[in-house]
Amino acid sequence: DAGVIQSPRHEVTEMGQEVTLRCKPISGHNSLFWYRQTMMRGLELLIYFNNNVPIDDSGMPEDRFSAKMPNASFSTLKIQPSEPRDSAVYFCASIDRVMTEAFFGQGTRLTVV
Amino acid sequence: EDQVTQSPEALRLQEGESSSLNCSYTVSGLRGLFWYRQDPGKGPEFLFTLYSAGEEKEKERLKATLTKKESFLHITAPKPEDSATYLCAVEVWGATNKLIFGTGTLLAVQP
Repeated sequence: DAGVIQSPRHEVTEMGQEVTLRCKPISGHNSLFWYRQTMMRGLELLIYFNNNVPIDDSGMPEDRFSAKMPNASFSTLKIQPSEPRDSAVYFCASIDRVMTEAFFGQGTRLTVV
Repeated sequence: EDQVTQSPEALRLQEGESSSLNCSYTVSGLRGLFWYRQDPGKGPEFLFTLYSAGEEKEKERLKATLTKKESFLHITAPKPEDSATYLCAVEVWGATNKLIFGTGTLLAVQP
């Protein structure tokens, strides 16, 4: 398996624009997580899905953020409209049924100017 | 509120100089404690899981230990390739699969 795949790796956008980040989890993993990493706050959990169903979205900062998982092999995190304070590295991770380890993607570095 | 605190924030060691990183936690009920390594520009990579006080796990020059309040990551005779950010995370009973991360310790090992 190629691991968790995220796209794009880098995204630079202007304030107010819509941004969509994509994630393909490892095949067979039934839980998927979106994290945001900044120097100030470290890794923060935004939302996670079990069997494609959102379980906890309490970490989503505001209504500008939304996440979907239409099937077991694909998830998106959308920011609309984007703001400079959204600049961070966004990670997607997946785990299998037994929580032994989470596999992280390479991340998407988002810069909002 | 469940909380994870790592110290120090940064640590610089000479090659061969052993040391320990600390992860203290305050949680309602610990299901598991995880250590990850993160290299620049990459996602965190799993190292260890610990489930109960007194448990220890080893991998090469790294050993992780767990008490009821904290975990230590001991690094014995480190090499420059051990340089990375080390992250600690907890999973809490009642919030299965939800990992709460500390802010990490940036380790630099100089030759």
